Amino acid sequence: IAGITQAPTSQILAAGRRMTLRCTQDMRHNAMYWYRQDLGLGLRLIHYSNTAGTTGKGEVPDGYSVSRANTDDFPLTLASAVPSQTSVYFCASSPLSTGGTDTQYFGPGTRLTVL
Amino acid sequence: AQSVTQLDSHVSVSEGTPVLLRCNYSSSYSPSLFWYVQHPNKGLQLLLKYTSAATLVKGINGFEAEFKKSETSFHLTKPSAHMSDAAEYFCVVLRRTGFQKLVFGTGTRLLVSP
Repeated sequence: IAGITQAPTSQILAAGRRMTLRCTQDMRHNAMYWYRQDLGLGLRLIHYSNTAGTTGKGEVPDGYSVSRANTDDFPLTLASAVPSQTSVYFCASSPLSTGGTDTQYFGPGTRLTVL
Repeated sequence: AQSVTQLDSHVSVSEGTPVLLRCNYSSSYSPSLFWYVQHPNKGLQLLLKYTSAATLVKGINGFEAEFKKSETSFHLTKPSAHMSDAAEYFCVVLRRTGFQKLVFGTGTRLLVSP
């Protein structure tokens, strides 16, 4: 079982370019999340999805979009990258049992540099 | 709103000595709290979680944390540090307003010297 995979591992991108970060989980978890990690700020939630076909905005959604066409995949798109989007991006998933306190399982991350 | 504050950005210990990583929380109701660990260039791994059962929670790799409501604290401890414990540690609270979301502290980097 792979858990959560993310691609690419790292990327250098010119400002203004479009970029999609891929995330796939094989645990059949309902909920998925995208975070960015910046030095001194911890992890901040960008977007989330509690089930296929639905998405929601997190703390820092501007400049990012997501889709959830099926249970396994949750791509994050930067329509026109800017240098402030340089960060490490983590995808996560959780079973989302109602009333529970779900553990979130994290992917290995994508290191993105926007020049 | 739920939040956590990690009181130290860096903690340095010698191998074999105790580890204490401090975390205070703010919550208007009984919180669900977590500690995650991130080794260099790796993703995050759950160490332990508190969900209003026993106040002393045991996790992986010999770590444990104690929930103290009177002090609004959830400090992470380990009796004897190992070199492999060197990593970034995040205290996290579950926010239940609307969709459940994790709120992360800013992290504490643990340095372990021989």
